[in-house]
Amino acid sequence: DAGVIQSPRHEVTEMGQEVTLRCKPISGHDYLFWYRQTMMRGLELLIYFNNNVPIDDSGMPEDRFSAKMPNASFSTLKIQPSEPRDSAVYFCASSRQGASGNTIYFGEGSWLTVV
Amino acid sequence: AQKITQTQPGMFVQEKEAVTLDCTYDTSDQSYGLFWYKQPSSGEMIFLIYQGSYDEQNATEGRYSLNFQKARKSANLVISASQLGDSAMYFCAMREAYGQNFVFGPGTRLSVLP
Repeated sequence: DAGVIQSPRHEVTEMGQEVTLRCKPISGHDYLFWYRQTMMRGLELLIYFNNNVPIDDSGMPEDRFSAKMPNASFSTLKIQPSEPRDSAVYFCASSRQGASGNTIYFGEGSWLTVV
Repeated sequence: AQKITQTQPGMFVQEKEAVTLDCTYDTSDQSYGLFWYKQPSSGEMIFLIYQGSYDEQNATEGRYSLNFQKARKSANLVISASQLGDSAMYFCAMREAYGQNFVFGPGTRLSVLP
């Protein structure tokens, strides 16, 4: 079975440009998470969806960040305009609904560098 | 409030020896799950082991075991017979039944010495 698929794997962009990160969760998973990882702040939850509906976006840094999940098999995280401090690894992850034992599976991450 | 605490930023262990990575958590839920993930230098997050709050026995997966002490709210990861390939960051995480969110600790960097 295919895992969580993220694209692009690596992106280098100039400050001020729009960045779009994409994610395809594991088929049948009801939850989708976006995390950001930096050396300074570790793993931070940005937003998560349940059945395509955003449940908690309190981790989204500011209005420059937005996330959508138009259907069960696709989600995007957009940064507009991007800033150097947005440089990080962005992980998408998914899990099934149900008991707390349903583990979360991560994509390989999107490594973003804003110069 | 910090829900997951990992007090060891870095650990060293000799190859073939056992090592324990500490994790304490904070929740008022009765039903929750505890997880450990490994992140090697290549960056991917690899699921290692899971412990449910109602499980009476400690979870084991190969060389990994989880020392679960519910009253102390601790969920330490034990790696037996360390291998060089175990060198990585290790994250403890919790998922509460209510809310369904995953919360991660700051991680412990384990270095296995030959």
